[in-house]
Amino acid sequence: QQQVKQSPQSLIVQKGGISIINCAYENTAFDYFPWYQQFPGKGPALLIAIRPDVSEKKEGRFTISFNKSAKQFSLHIMDSQPGDSATYFCADLYGSARQLTFGSGTQLTVLP
Amino acid sequence: AAGVIQSPRHLIKEKRETATLKCYPIPRHDTVYWYQQGPGQDPQFLISFYEKMQSDKGSIPDRFSAQQFSDYHSELNMSSLELGDSALYFCASSSPLRRQGADEQFFGPGTRLTVL
Repeated sequence: QQQVKQSPQSLIVQKGGISIINCAYENTAFDYFPWYQQFPGKGPALLIAIRPDVSEKKEGRFTISFNKSAKQFSLHIMDSQPGDSATYFCADLYGSARQLTFGSGTQLTVLP
Repeated sequence: AAGVIQSPRHLIKEKRETATLKCYPIPRHDTVYWYQQGPGQDPQFLISFYEKMQSDKGSIPDRFSAQQFSDYHSELNMSSLELGDSALYFCASSSPLRRQGADEQFFGPGTRLTVL
């Protein structure tokens, strides 16, 4: 099973600030890197994903930056809001069924 | 838009009992995945089905089995339950477009299983 290493484990940001979460992968078979957002007691929700043919993808306040040579990708949340407080997981695909392997998660708290 | 449906949402069982979790994928999705998430942990892949056939298997105990039916819904059967089986169990589904590179997996709300 492939692994993705995620940091930091927890992050506290003031409202309006920028939240940055980092992930590193070992090897990838499918070149697809999603970020999931999970609220307590809820299922993970796909937030944004990137393929390595681009170095950056932006959707609203959320941006993924991808560094293929370093095997790293990061999530940037601009103008962070208290409603963004959740656990964020990066992930990679592996296996014949293209199942997900997740990072260990980052608990983000945005202070009002 | 229709989402993945899971039932029951909460389940309380005693040790050594059995449990059945159900998953109804998004309409026209042909692939189902099961994941287990312990407290404070990331989701771990258990098993997946594509077109009613098992497509891959992860860290699923031998006490667990699963299948996908003709209407694409899936059931996870858990026997001889142990305290350590207490967790959130998620089902996710993906589209036939995955074969064209659409790799999005959409998760259901989960079943919280508590084993006493």
